[in-house]
Amino acid sequence: QVQLVQSGAEVKKPGASVKVSCKASGYTFSSYGITWVRQAPGQGLEWMAWINVHNGNTNYAQKNQGRLTMTTDTSTSTAYMELRSLRSDDTAVYYCARGRWELRDFDFWGQGTLVTVSS
Amino acid sequence: DIVMTQSPLSLPVTPGEPASISCRSSQSLLHSNGNNYLAWYLQKPGQSPQLLVYLGSNRASGVPDRFSVSGSGTGFTLKISRVEAEDVGVYYCMQTLETPFTFGPGTKVDFK
Repeated sequence: QVQLVQSGAEVKKPGASVKVSCKASGYTFSSYGITWVRQAPGQGLEWMAWINVHNGNTNYAQKNQGRLTMTTDTSTSTAYMELRSLRSDDTAVYYCARGRWELRDFDFWGQGTLVTVSS
Repeated sequence: DIVMTQSPLSLPVTPGEPASISCRSSQSLLHSNGNNYLAWYLQKPGQSPQLLVYLGSNRASGVPDRFSVSGSGTGFTLKISRVEAEDVGVYYCMQTLETPFTFGPGTKVDFK
């Protein structure tokens, strides 16, 4: 069965970086893309970025551009999201999800990773 | 960016009764290929979001047929014919016509 398993919770200081992993199983990793969505405490969902695993093409929300990098390792079927220069308002649960660009559907989601930014 | 709005933001429901949620976008989500780039997600309490509907009106795999979507362009409605206990949570519409993809604020559905 399709599964996306994310790395554990992180606590970081302002200005630091965080790298969250998302390990996929149960499907051909390179046949789908991966998107990242975050949710601040008690708030709604915010789309952050998309990566085409097959060719590495990325699409970032402009507000995070310059601080955010997505990568994938097809040998381990793992996607990574790195966010730099962390601020307190980056505190959120970060989700990865599998998707098909042509349908723009994100059909399987990871369990979420809480990133807390605090001094 | 395309702005998504939803109404109501809170929807108390009675089990077995119908419910509907409205979603509007600041610009048309109807592509020249005939697809509406609108998806719906449900986030149950304490869980990750789950896909309900993609490309406007296509139910995702495993989604019961009591869920239906109508509308096109800038206005859409998600309808639940008979609400069941497993349907409680926050419903989000999301436009996927252009990046940045954007979500509506969410509609919280719970029992009266």
